[in-house]
Formats: sequence, C-alpha cells, structure tokens
Amino acid sequence: DAGVTQSPTHLIKTRGQQVTLRCSPKSGHDTVSWYQQALGQGPQFIFQYYEEEERQRGNFPDRFSGHQFPNYSSELNVNALLLGDSALYLCASSGWGWASNQPQHFGDGTRLSIL
Amino acid sequence: AQSVTQLGSHVSVSEGALVLLRCNYSSSVPPYLFWYVQYPNQGLQLLLKYTTGATLVKGINGFEAEFKKSETSFHLTKPSAHMSDAAEYFCAVTMNQGGKLIFGQGTELSVKP
Repeated sequence: DAGVTQSPTHLIKTRGQQVTLRCSPKSGHDTVSWYQQALGQGPQFIFQYYEEEERQRGNFPDRFSGHQFPNYSSELNVNALLLGDSALYLCASSGWGWASNQPQHFGDGTRLSIL
Repeated sequence: AQSVTQLGSHVSVSEGALVLLRCNYSSSVPPYLFWYVQYPNQGLQLLLKYTTGATLVKGINGFEAEFKKSETSFHLTKPSAHMSDAAEYFCAVTMNQGGKLIFGQGTELSVKP
C-alpha cells in the first residue's frame, strides 16, 4: 500500500520562474493539504483541497495556487519565485473529507531551492 | 485562534535516559493534538494523537503523551532513549484531524551514547 508520494524530490529554480510540484495521496484518501517548511521551522499550512476545490487556505499570497484532479492527486504551483520560497514543501493526505476524524499522512516532500 | 509553543529548540539526553519534550497549546475550542517525528531528509511520521477520551495517549516506538487541559499542555515522554530516537519532533494542534494543522517550531532531540 503506497503512502503519499511527491515529485520531484529536489528542484532548483531561479528568481521569477514558476514551479509545479506534484502529490499523489495515500490509497483511499481524498483530501490533500500542502505545507511549506522553511529551514529550522515547523511546517506552515498553505491550503487544502477536497472534491477538486480549495477548502481552506493559510496566510500565503496568490502566487501560491493549486489544483486537485479527479483521481485525488494534486499540484502546487508557485509563480514569480522569490528567494524566500526556498523550503521543503510537504503534501499530506487524509480520508473522508476535510472535517473527518482521520489523521493526515505526510509525504517525504520536495526540496525547492531558489537561486 | 490556535497556536503551539514547544519549549526548547534542542534537547540532549543520554542513551537510556528519560526523554521529555514539552508542548503547550492555545485553542478556543477543544483541540486535537498530535506529535510528529521527522528524520533527516524525510517527511513527518505520526507518533501519537489525542482526540477525546483517555488523556494518556500511547504511540509508536515507546512514546506517550498526556493531555492536561488545566495546564494546556501535551508533553511527550519516553522512559528510555535509544540512539534511533534522534530526530526533530513537532507538536501540532487542529480543530479537526483532517483540517489545517498548526505546528510548533520543533524540538531537535540528540541522544548521546
């Protein structure tokens, strides 16, 4: 039973570019959340998708956008990259909707470096 | 609004010694509380969770935590540290398990031989 998988593992971009990160949720899960973890910090909630719609959003600018597909996989897009966007981006999935009592399972993340 | 404070960004113990990692939370509604562990270059692994019911919660790898409402605390303990416990530990709070998680800053645990 595959857990949460994220791709790519590492990514290097330059300022101003755009990036797309991908996530496949754990089998049986239908809700995907994205978190940003800066070096030495705890993860910060970006947004959550359920039924292909953004259900909750954290304090991140509109440069951060996402999408969820019918197979529950998800993408995180970041436009106009800034040096401060360098971080580990974590995807988490859970089952039965965003208000469920199922805990979130995390992937190993995508390490994004901005030069 | 909810928040989490982890006391001590770095804790060092000897192998076989008691592990105590501190977490205090703030929540206007009954919280769900979690401890996650993160090994280098990996994602977060759930150690244990408190939802309702018994306030002493047992998790994986011999860890446990006690929910104390009066102290707004959810400290993580392990009676005897093992070298493999060296990692970063995060306490988190949420209004519902599937929703937005709010994390503390993390505590790095070092285990000395």
